[in-house]
Amino acid sequence: DSGVTQTPKHLITATGQRVTLRCSPRSGDLSVYWYQQSLDQGLQFLIQYYNGEERAKGNILERFSAQQFPDLHSELNLSSLELGDSALYFCASSPSGAYNEQFFGPGTRLTVL
Amino acid sequence: AQRVTQPEKLLSVFKGAPVELKCNYSYSGSPELFWYVQYSRQRLQLLLRHISRESIKGFTADLNKGETSFHLKKPFAQEEDSAMYYCALRRGGSQGNLIFGKGTKLSVKP
Repeated sequence: DSGVTQTPKHLITATGQRVTLRCSPRSGDLSVYWYQQSLDQGLQFLIQYYNGEERAKGNILERFSAQQFPDLHSELNLSSLELGDSALYFCASSPSGAYNEQFFGPGTRLTVL
Repeated sequence: AQRVTQPEKLLSVFKGAPVELKCNYSYSGSPELFWYVQYSRQRLQLLLRHISRESIKGFTADLNKGETSFHLKKPFAQEEDSAMYYCALRRGGSQGNLIFGKGTKLSVKP
């Protein structure tokens, strides 16, 4: 599958813990975006990286951080987890150029107990 | 503030009936608008974008700047159209992030 991949699919953890979500973009895509989908807030943009550099920040909590590595994969780190962090976390990637499309991964479902 | 509103959480129609999924936006510049669809157990995928003015799977959407709307329409719904539909606005140019509406679940009954 040459699309966006995300691991793990599911993650169950306890409050106060820290987890890392991983995203591999489509081959050649330089931009990676992270979105959080929760029942009450819907799909919300968290952060974007472009070729290793942070490009834009959305509603990302200080407890959350991300990075994009030289091979262009990205990781989203969530720490001091709270019950309210339970959500689906999507990664998307897009190529450079005008009118490009964002391609979404299957998501990681995080459950904080 | 930049915002996308989809007023209907759920829309239920019978097969063969026309469908209109509403989307209104608030944006200070020239908006770039999209419809994404998520079928059951599949990932979010682009359905269409206003800039290309194309029809995908029989769906069309016209950007109405006066009414700040981008409603999605299909003249004859099919059962396979049942899915979650998200209207989205892109900010910040071609590499910008998306602002999504909360989505409308379309259910097409036989």
